[in-house]
Amino acid sequence: SQQGEEDPQALSIQEGENATMNCSYKTSINNLQWYRQNSGRGLVHLILIRSNEREKHSGRLRVTLDTSKKSSSLLITASRAADTASYFCATGDVPGAQKLVFGQGTRLTINP
Amino acid sequence: ETGVTQSPTHLIKTRGQQVTLRCSSQSGHNTVSWYQQALGQGPQFIFQYYREEENGRGNFPPRFSGLQFPNYSSELNVNALELDDSALYLCASSPSAEPGNEKLFFGSGTQLSVL
Repeated sequence: SQQGEEDPQALSIQEGENATMNCSYKTSINNLQWYRQNSGRGLVHLILIRSNEREKHSGRLRVTLDTSKKSSSLLITASRAADTASYFCATGDVPGAQKLVFGQGTRLTINP
Repeated sequence: ETGVTQSPTHLIKTRGQQVTLRCSSQSGHNTVSWYQQALGQGPQFIFQYYREEENGRGNFPPRFSGLQFPNYSSELNVNALELDDSALYLCASSPSAEPGNEKLFFGSGTQLSVL
């Protein structure tokens, strides 16, 4: 079963704009991760945030985590055509475990 | 590109048949897991292997089984295939199952179609 729900399911913006995706989850977590998937192939890890962290940055990516609301957001700044992909949040509840519970994803399209 | 490789990339089987999918972990990784991703859905955890032992399993029936070999490569076996088994099967590896190693490195997947 899916743990999280992602919002929106699809997002289309112009190149250069910022994209924000949201993720909600149901149970307590140890960590929350964001992955990107191009054209239904392998997933690429973007960023991991632990339950005791509130915000993390990596290049053009900014992730926030609000454990009281059981929600996270992923912000991609200055979007590029190459950012077109599906983005998934995934939660882990056990340190070191590979069992992640994924949301259904947000399909992001960057228009040139 | 991660160092995780999967074979084959595509596979077509008939309902009732058996299938074996293969995965080679990234160098230095001793933990591997398998995920099933149906079309339009997020991946679902099947199971995890650490040092050749299964040490975590998702909500999948026993006809989904796996192996991890001494070189940490892995197989996913599915018996008595059903139409609903049609999906992208993803293998992921990480350096170990110890805390601090939660980031997964995914392969490109095997697209299985069951007719």
